[in-house]
Amino acid sequence: EAGVTQSPTHLIKTRGQQATLRCSPISGHTSVYWYQQALGLGLQFLLWYDEGEERNRGNFPPRFSGRQFPNYSSELNVNALELEDSALYLCASSLVAIAEAFFGQGTRLTVV
Amino acid sequence: DAKTTQPTSMDCAEGRAANLPCNHSTISGNEYVYWYRQIHSQGPQYIIHGLKNNETNEMASLIITEDRKSSTLILPHATLRDTAVYYCIVRGVAGNNRKLIWGLGTSLAVNP
Repeated sequence: EAGVTQSPTHLIKTRGQQATLRCSPISGHTSVYWYQQALGLGLQFLLWYDEGEERNRGNFPPRFSGRQFPNYSSELNVNALELEDSALYLCASSLVAIAEAFFGQGTRLTVV
Repeated sequence: DAKTTQPTSMDCAEGRAANLPCNHSTISGNEYVYWYRQIHSQGPQYIIHGLKNNETNEMASLIITEDRKSSTLILPHATLRDTAVYYCIVRGVAGNNRKLIWGLGTSLAVNP
């Protein structure tokens, strides 16, 4: 069974541009979580989608947004990129509320 | 959301048991304790979770105190490949508590 897949693996953008990151959850998982991990820091919660709806978001500005599609895959969009947005962006999926979350390998976003 | 406290770093000799402590004194009755680990720049990997009983799987054992205010993750025979950052997280089962709130974890170094 395929795990959580994220694309692209690496992404280089210039300041002010927009970035789109994609995540495909494990088949049958309806919840998708997005996290940002800046170099040397812990994971910061970004967004949580479940059954196509945004359920919660972390303490990030509105230029971080996303959506979940009917097939439960998800996109994270970051507008007006800033240098500080350079980080590893991780996506995770889970099946039910108390189930473990499985993570993808992340997208390394570099803003120059 | 309940917070967790972990030591910043620990060392362990290869082949010996690694005991990683975690304090979660504000945990509520319906919150589970989860453990994940992250090997450098990879996506976090689920290890184990529990509510109030001790749990064991092929990777580790989880010992939760009777008052549930702390827990210990035990890697019975640590190997060099267990060198990673270990995260202890509390997670609820409903609503906003389903998201995972991450601390900075414990950086475990397994030495030959």
